Amino acid sequence: AQSVAQPEDQVNVAEGNPLTVKCTYSVSGNPYLFWYVQYPNRGLQFLLKYITGDNLVKGSYGFEAEFNKSQTSFHLKKPSALVSDSALYFCAVRDHNTDKLIFGTGTRLQVFP
Amino acid sequence: GAGVSQTPSNKVTEKGKYVELRCDPISGHTALYWYRQSLGQGPEFLIYFQGTGAADDSGLPNDRFFAVRPEGSVSTLKIQRTERGDSAVYLCASSSGLAGGHEQFFGPGTRLTVL
Repeated sequence: AQSVAQPEDQVNVAEGNPLTVKCTYSVSGNPYLFWYVQYPNRGLQFLLKYITGDNLVKGSYGFEAEFNKSQTSFHLKKPSALVSDSALYFCAVRDHNTDKLIFGTGTRLQVFP
Repeated sequence: GAGVSQTPSNKVTEKGKYVELRCDPISGHTALYWYRQSLGQGPEFLIYFQGTGAADDSGLPNDRFFAVRPEGSVSTLKIQRTERGDSAVYLCASSSGLAGGHEQFFGPGTRLTVL
């Protein structure tokens, strides 16, 4: 069965510092991986995806993610955090047998001024 | 253009009642998905439509849950004999429908509270 894991419930970072939100995956075959962000009382917003190609994927709002096949990881990164980046972040993998997304449990990012 | 919309935004009902939740996907998107998100959890898949037909309903928890998409656009999730455990945010998403790498676009959700 395919799955993703987000080992950190919460990540705290000071504004202006780099941030990393971790995600590892377990799939058979090539993974299709996604990151979404959820602000309070709002739906999920797509940030970026890895399908194939370059291991470093660039997405919205200055976020990027690095696909690492040997470590089965897809960590989300940003060089300089903003207070407005504070939100709930979800990693997801697309099930190859259907089209559904399988989500991790989420990581709350808190950026302090 | 307009994104995915869901109505109502909030629904409070009593145990045992019937509820309908509506989803309007992005125009032209052939694939539509329903997910359920409980407090402190990631979204969990319920059902997926490709056009008018349910391509995968393996996530529906039991036969009290049913969804339709009669004209291949708007979808309605129907819950009979609601239980307190059904309380959650119900999310709808749509995509261009081609299997593989197309991202899903989510609506704001319907928060269902069963008293």
